[in-house]
Amino acid sequence: DGGITQSPKYLFRKEGQNVTLSCEQNLNHDAMYWYRQDPGQGLRLIYYSQIVNDFQKGDIAEGYSVSREKKESFPLTVTSAQKNPTAFYLCASSMGPRERGEKLFFGSGTQLSVL
Amino acid sequence: GNSVTQMEGPVTLSEEAFLTINCTYTATGYPSLFWYVQYPGEGLQLLLKATKADDKGSNKGFEATYRKETTSFHLEKGSVQVSDSAVYFCALSDRQAAGNKLTFGGGTRVLVKP
Repeated sequence: DGGITQSPKYLFRKEGQNVTLSCEQNLNHDAMYWYRQDPGQGLRLIYYSQIVNDFQKGDIAEGYSVSREKKESFPLTVTSAQKNPTAFYLCASSMGPRERGEKLFFGSGTQLSVL
Repeated sequence: GNSVTQMEGPVTLSEEAFLTINCTYTATGYPSLFWYVQYPGEGLQLLLKATKADDKGSNKGFEATYRKETTSFHLEKGSVQVSDSAVYFCALSDRQAAGNKLTFGGGTRVLVKP
């Protein structure tokens, strides 16, 4: 079955530590996204990538970094510069940037907590 | 900029009750509108969408109509079930913006009791 796989489901970060969240899709989608969800709040866009080897900052990119070396993969690194990293992180993909209003497919999320 | 405003929850209902979740939006362009649903511990799933004024999106008994004159996209279901308990997000996609970014509302938690 095609879909988006996020791992791990739960992740703990120590002070000053960088951690990387994995996102893999086998839907052959060009575009991928990372969102952050805080309790009782909507989703906020961290980074997005419309094509391999290209990505753009979203609304809250500070303290995060991404790479898009392969079409299937879009890992997110939460750096030590992110002072409030505790949140639920959601990865998503869509067929491509040309299709406005295209449906997003979401992974099941990673809960990141600070020790 | 773009923004989406939803009614705050939680909304608690009995089975077979009528559900309405209000959603209004502000957009610089001519957006597409969506409702996504999130079940506990999961990611979001697209519930329905509408791409132009007066379009009605529908799925699983849920409906929403794109009202340009009131900039609204209220979600309704005539008879809810316990399995409808989830968080519902209204969202818009601005066709004039680069990429396919969605702007989400804050989400409305719905709890349906038997």
